[in-house]
Amino acid sequence: NAGVMQNPRHLVRRRGQEARLRCSPMKGHSHVYWYRQLPEEGLKFMVYLQKENIIDESGMPKERFSAEFPKEGPSILRIQQVVRGDSAAYFCASSERDSNSYEQYFGPGTRLTVT
Amino acid sequence: KNQVEQSPQSLIILEGKNCTLQCNYTVSPFSNLRWYKQDTGRGPVSLTIMTFSENTKSNGRYTATLDADTKQSSLHITASQLSDSASYICVVSARTSGTYKYIFGTGTRLKVLA
Repeated sequence: NAGVMQNPRHLVRRRGQEARLRCSPMKGHSHVYWYRQLPEEGLKFMVYLQKENIIDESGMPKERFSAEFPKEGPSILRIQQVVRGDSAAYFCASSERDSNSYEQYFGPGTRLTVT
Repeated sequence: KNQVEQSPQSLIILEGKNCTLQCNYTVSPFSNLRWYKQDTGRGPVSLTIMTFSENTKSNGRYTATLDADTKQSSLHITASQLSDSASYICVVSARTSGTYKYIFGTGTRLKVLA
């Protein structure tokens, strides 16, 4: 059973371009969480999705950021018109259920650099 | 405001020594508390999960404690090894509006020297 996979591992974009980050959850997991980690800071929750549904996007910036988790394929975090402040590590985690006792398993992260 | 604070920010110890990391939280309503280990350049890996009723939980050389009254937790590492060098992150979850919110501390960076 492969772990959570994220790609690309490193992404460089110029200001104004779009960034697409992909996350494939562990087999059997239908819950996906995206987090952002700025340099020298803790992880911050962005969005929680189940298949085809956004459950909680309270941590997502109102503009330029969107996320989806289609019926088939990976979850996608999309950042439009990137700015330097978007440079960070983006982690996704998956779990079997959104429950007190179910573990979240993290991927290796995508490091986005905006030049 | 829901917050998780960890101390110290960083710590250097010699191989074989023990150490204790602290986590204070103001998260409500409390659901559970987790400790993660994050190696440089990697995603966090879970060490322990504790609910309100649990005071202590061990995972090998890692032992976590929880005092729900004072809203404090600690992670004790016994007989440290070089591979323990990592960031240790305390995460507290709260159940609100039918879903869980996960509040992360900024971590303690541990360096174990030979």
